[in-house]
Amino acid sequence: AQSVTQPDIHITVSEGASLELRCNYSYGATPYLFWYVQSPGQGLQLLLKYFSGDTLVQGIKGFEAEFKRSQSSFNLRKPSVHWSDAAEYFCAVVTVGLSFGAGTTVTVRA
Amino acid sequence: GAGVSQSPSNKVTEKGKDVELRCDPISGHTALYWYRQSLGQGLEFLIYFQGNSAPDKSGLPSDRFSAERTGGSVSTLTIQRTQQEDSAVYLCASSFRVTRASGYEQYFGPGTRLTVT
Repeated sequence: AQSVTQPDIHITVSEGASLELRCNYSYGATPYLFWYVQSPGQGLQLLLKYFSGDTLVQGIKGFEAEFKRSQSSFNLRKPSVHWSDAAEYFCAVVTVGLSFGAGTTVTVRA
Repeated sequence: GAGVSQSPSNKVTEKGKDVELRCDPISGHTALYWYRQSLGQGLEFLIYFQGNSAPDKSGLPSDRFSAERTGGSVSTLTIQRTQQEDSAVYLCASSFRVTRASGYEQYFGPGTRLTVT
C-alpha cells in the first residue's frame, strides 16, 4: 500500500536558518504528494502539492519541495525560517483519502 | 468563500454514549473525507464520500463507527457506545474531485475534539 515516512520526529532550527524536512514515499507509480502544516490549535493547511511535471514545486509561505524519484523522496525546504514557522508538518500521499506521515514538529529558537 | 465547518468544536461524553459529529463541506465540493487525529495513531483516514456513490469505509476502525452524507453535502459521523480510545480530534475535509488529475487537493475543517470520560 502507498505510504509516506517522515524520519524526523522533531527538528529545532534557529530563526533565519534554513530548514529541510524529509519525506520518503513507498509507491510503484508516480505518487500524488502533499505537504500540510498544522500550527498549534489550528487546522491543517496545504503548503504545496506534486502531481507531475516539474519536480521542484513552490508553495505558500516561502516553502518549496523537490520530488526525487531515484530517492523516493519529497523533501520540504525553506531558505530562511521565521518564528511563525514553528508548527507540525505532515507529508501525505493520495490513496483513497490521504495517507499521512507521522509528522515532524519544528521548533524555532530566537 | 466559506471553508469547511465542523460542529461541535468540542465534545465531552461518557463512555458508552453515542455521539454525532457534523461536517459542512465547501459548497460545490463533491468529495468529503473524515479523518481522526490522535496522539497514538497520528492522522488516520476513516471514510470517503464521492458524489452519490457508495462510500469507501475502508478506514473505519470498528462497526461502532458510521457516517452518512445527506443530499451530497452535509455529513454526520456517528460513534456508538463510545470508548476511551475514541478520544481524538475528528477532522473533515472536502475536495472538488472530478478526475485523477484534479481535485485531490483537500481542504480541512478545524476539527471536533472528542473526549470520552
